[in-house]
Formats: sequence, structure tokens, C-alpha cells
Amino acid sequence: DQQVKQNSPSLSVQEGRISILNCDYTNSMFDYFLWYKKYPAEGPTFLISISSIKDKNEDGRFTVFLNKSAKHLSLHIVPSQPGDSAVYFCAADGDGNQFYFGTGTSLTVIP
Amino acid sequence: EPEVTQTPSHQVTQMGQEVILRCVPISNHLYFYWYRQILGQKVEFLVSFYNNEISEKSEIFDDQFSVERPDGSNFTLKIRSTKLEDSAMYFCATVDDRAGANVLTFGAGSRLTVL
Repeated sequence: DQQVKQNSPSLSVQEGRISILNCDYTNSMFDYFLWYKKYPAEGPTFLISISSIKDKNEDGRFTVFLNKSAKHLSLHIVPSQPGDSAVYFCAADGDGNQFYFGTGTSLTVIP
Repeated sequence: EPEVTQTPSHQVTQMGQEVILRCVPISNHLYFYWYRQILGQKVEFLVSFYNNEISEKSEIFDDQFSVERPDGSNFTLKIRSTKLEDSAMYFCATVDDRAGANVLTFGAGSRLTVL
């Protein structure tokens, strides 16, 4: 039962352009969403989060948008940099006891 | 910055052997988790642990798996009799309350290879 879905396994973007990573979820009880970034042979690192009471959260080059009616969130990276190349995971939390992760999107930023 | 520490970084074991993966959580964190990622697949929840007991576990976390906090600092995941399909990266994570919201902080992971 895949409650959090990332339908694009990979994405390539030119340096300086915008990267948009998408995530869909099925459980309307989820009230908190997170994005993690993962480099090979490392653990996921927290990037940015958003509560369901908001529709946008911004932190530097990273912005997360939440559309609750569509059960969809997206991560925008502007401008994209080669160091942003990593796997990005979307995660959702409904009750704090379990975080549900998507399958990840591998972002490649081309210099 | 405080971090979650996991050992070993890589363990190779024979099928049927017992394996213990260790995690040192961030000191003031109260909720602990184990996740795993089979190569090329999603990060999967195994178990959450709070107040010295399991609070939730997934279908993956069957009788072959156990967790404990033997000495109040380490948080361990034991696989009693490993199978080939247990080969994966195992991540320990703890919850960091930031402005009332929960953010998982992950360790670097322990790679388990079952032969």
C-alpha cells in the first residue's frame, strides 16, 4: 500500500534552472510533510517541511508547495546547482509514530 | 550539530546468522525508528520505539526482528536468523521536535549483506 508516491524516478535539469520534484499522497489524515535529500552511502538528510495548515514554505533556494485538495506536494529548487544532484524523498506524517516515504526521485543537475 | 551514529557501517554475514545493528540516538530525543532501504527501492518503515517499548511496527518487522535499548543509550536492531532478502541499508532515525513538528534525523546507515 503505497501511501506516498513519487512517480518520476529521475529528473535532469540544467544548472541555474528550476527543479520541480513532485509527490502525491493518498491518506487525508497526513498533516505534515517533509522532503529529504540523500547522497549515495549516506543517510537521508532533512531538507524542508510543511504543515497541512500552510500551502507554501520557503527556505532559501528551496520551496515546498502543498495542495491538499489534490493531495499533492512539490519541491522547487531555484536555481539548481550541481551539488543538488541527489535522490529526493518525500515523506508524510500522520500521527508521529510512522513516517511514510515515497520511492524517491533522482535529480541530476547538469553543469 | 548532534547526529545519530550507527555501527557497523557495513556487515557481511552468512544466511541464518544473527546480526545486531547498533544506533546511538541524539541524546535528548525520545522517539527512535528503524527504516531500511533495499537497493533501488523505497525507504521502508520497520519499527518505532518510545519509552522503552515498541509503539508501532510494520509487516516487515516479523518475529525474526527485535529492538531494544539495552543500556539506556544504544538502540539496537537484531535480526535473529538472516535471510538473503534482509540485505539492505538499515537506517536508524530519531525525532527532533522543531517548533512542535516532528523531523526525523537519520544516521548514515548500516549496510547489511547476507550471503
